[in-house]
Amino acid sequence: KQEVTQIPAALSVPEGENLVLNCSFTDSAIYNLQWFRQDPGKGLTSLLLIQSSQREQTSGRLNASLDKSSGRSTLYIAASQPGDSATYLCAVKLGQAGTALIFGKGTTLSVSS
Amino acid sequence: GAGVSQSPSNKVTEKGKDVELRCDPISGHTALYWYRQSLGQGLEFLIYFQGNSAPDKSGLPSDRFSAERTGGSVSTLTIQRTQQEDSAVYLCASSFVQGHGYTFGSGTRLTVV
Repeated sequence: KQEVTQIPAALSVPEGENLVLNCSFTDSAIYNLQWFRQDPGKGLTSLLLIQSSQREQTSGRLNASLDKSSGRSTLYIAASQPGDSATYLCAVKLGQAGTALIFGKGTTLSVSS
Repeated sequence: GAGVSQSPSNKVTEKGKDVELRCDPISGHTALYWYRQSLGQGLEFLIYFQGNSAPDKSGLPSDRFSAERTGGSVSTLTIQRTQQEDSAVYLCASSFVQGHGYTFGSGTRLTVV
């Protein structure tokens, strides 16, 4: 059974710091991996989608990497800002014929000014 | 529409009552998913619709839960005889092609009292 783990569960950093959020999954046979952001009381906003054939994706200050063989993904946030404070969720999809995204429980990030 | 729309945004109901939650996906998106997010828990897959195919109901927690999707567009999630443990945020997502990135709605926060 695929399990997705995110470490740490919570992280507090001062503004301007670069940081890395970690995601690991137990079954390397994934179709894609997606990082989301969730603000309190809100839905999920997609940040980056990495297909299984890709190694990384970048969007602005965000960079996500994928190492399927080791079952790991990282989300790198450069020059963090207070507006980055949110919960970051990692989710994997098993095979194109698969249906559900399997989510980790998230890392709650707090960036202080 | 421009995004995935869910209604109502908040619902308080008495134990034992039935509730209906609505999801209006992005126009043209053929895949639609329902997830549940309970306090302190990760996202839990409930049900998936793809075009005219039979839905994948494997995530529904009990037979009190059902969902339908009319005309390949709007979906309704129905919970009969609600229980307190049904209290959660119910999130709907859609995607253009199965396996591509998901777009989530803002969710319906259900509170059973």
